[in-house]
Amino acid sequence: ETAVFQTPNYHVTQVGNEVSFNCKQTLGHDTMYWYKQDSKKLLKIMFSYNNKQLIVNETVPRRFSPQSSDKAHLNLRIKSVEPEDSAVYLCASSLGLGASAETLYFGSGTRLTVL
Amino acid sequence: GEQVEQRPPHLSVREGDSAIIICTYTDSATAYFSWYKQEAGAGLQLLMSVLSNVDRKEEQGLTVLLNKKDKRLSLNLTAAHPGDSAVYFCAVSPSSGSWQLIFGSGTQLTVMP
Repeated sequence: ETAVFQTPNYHVTQVGNEVSFNCKQTLGHDTMYWYKQDSKKLLKIMFSYNNKQLIVNETVPRRFSPQSSDKAHLNLRIKSVEPEDSAVYLCASSLGLGASAETLYFGSGTRLTVL
Repeated sequence: GEQVEQRPPHLSVREGDSAIIICTYTDSATAYFSWYKQEAGAGLQLLMSVLSNVDRKEEQGLTVLLNKKDKRLSLNLTAAHPGDSAVYFCAVSPSSGSWQLIFGSGTQLTVMP
């Protein structure tokens, strides 16, 4: 089966803790993304990686950091989580360099709750 | 930069009725338009996409219309059924070669039996 896999599905933690989310794609794609989806379903791009190179880093807080070991993996680490970090984090991939006609393939998301 | 507005935020229809979702955008150079569906607890999945040289595309009960003059993109679900209940997003890419997809704010569609 080829797809985008995210772990964990859910994570509950307390303010100030560190969390790490994993994403793996088996589609052979060159580009991967992290999106944040808030409680109103709004989607915001956080990071994009093309073949292990960061090509976009939107203005997210410095406590967020992407980590990529190879083009099939893009993890997301959050140091010292804040209540406003509660959201669903969606990982996605696309075939090429994120050009205009790319289709994004999404994982099922990781729901983070910060108490 | 490109601005995308999507409406309505919530839409309820009866089974067999049509459901129409509309997005408007601001950049006349927008080259790529797509619609994604997000079912509960899942990620987004591409439904249909069109390039700017296409005015109308139909597939499996879905119709995408692109009005470049009015900068309006619409998705029409004909004969909706309960399985269509989900959140729908439009997504546009500002210009050819641009990496970024800009998503609309989503429409929660509920199809009642």
